[in-house]
Amino acid sequence: GENVEQHPSTLSVQEGDSAVIKCTYSDSASNYFPWYKQELGKRPQLIIDIRSNVGEKKDQRIAVTLNKTAKHFSLHITETQPEDSAVYFCAARHGWGKLQFGAGTQVVVTP
Amino acid sequence: DTAVSQTPKYLVTQMGNDKSIKCEQNLGHDTMYWYKQDSKKFLKIMFSYNNKELIINETVPNRFSPKSPDKAHLNLHINSLELGDSAVYFCASSQEMGNEQFFGPGTRLTVL
Repeated sequence: GENVEQHPSTLSVQEGDSAVIKCTYSDSASNYFPWYKQELGKRPQLIIDIRSNVGEKKDQRIAVTLNKTAKHFSLHITETQPEDSAVYFCAARHGWGKLQFGAGTQVVVTP
Repeated sequence: DTAVSQTPKYLVTQMGNDKSIKCEQNLGHDTMYWYKQDSKKFLKIMFSYNNKELIINETVPNRFSPKSPDKAHLNLHINSLELGDSAVYFCASSQEMGNEQFFGPGTRLTVL
């Protein structure tokens, strides 16, 4: 089945700096790659997603890139703010529909 | 107007007891899920139902039994609770299998 690896497990950044989280997947048939943000004590919420026919997608300060050949995708957060502190999960949709989540990255933005 | 709701929010119980968690979505989605999130924050899928039919059944002890009375509801019943069952359980739904999933607020289960 699909295996998704996510790095790093924790990431500390200074406010205003950029944060990058990387994920790799194993199933070349995976075709949908969402990113979820989970604030402390809250539910995971989708922040951005990308499909396999697109290489990059941007939404204000967040962007996601996908390299299908290398089977990896990354989340980029620019101009980080304290409210970006959360756990971020990448995921990959297996060919027949199951979402496999990465282990999560705890992002801490220090003022 | 809550999209995906779960009850209860907190559940504290003794080992060996049986408990249920209820989930409802008003988004008109066809697919619903149960996830377990342990203390390390790992999100592990347990079950998925599509139009009341079981689609995914991961390696979960058979003490856990999902029930979907209709496509808007997916309940989780747990028999003979064990200490290791302590976790946050999230219900989620999506329009189609594997598309954007909307999560419920979670149920924090503590087994003493």
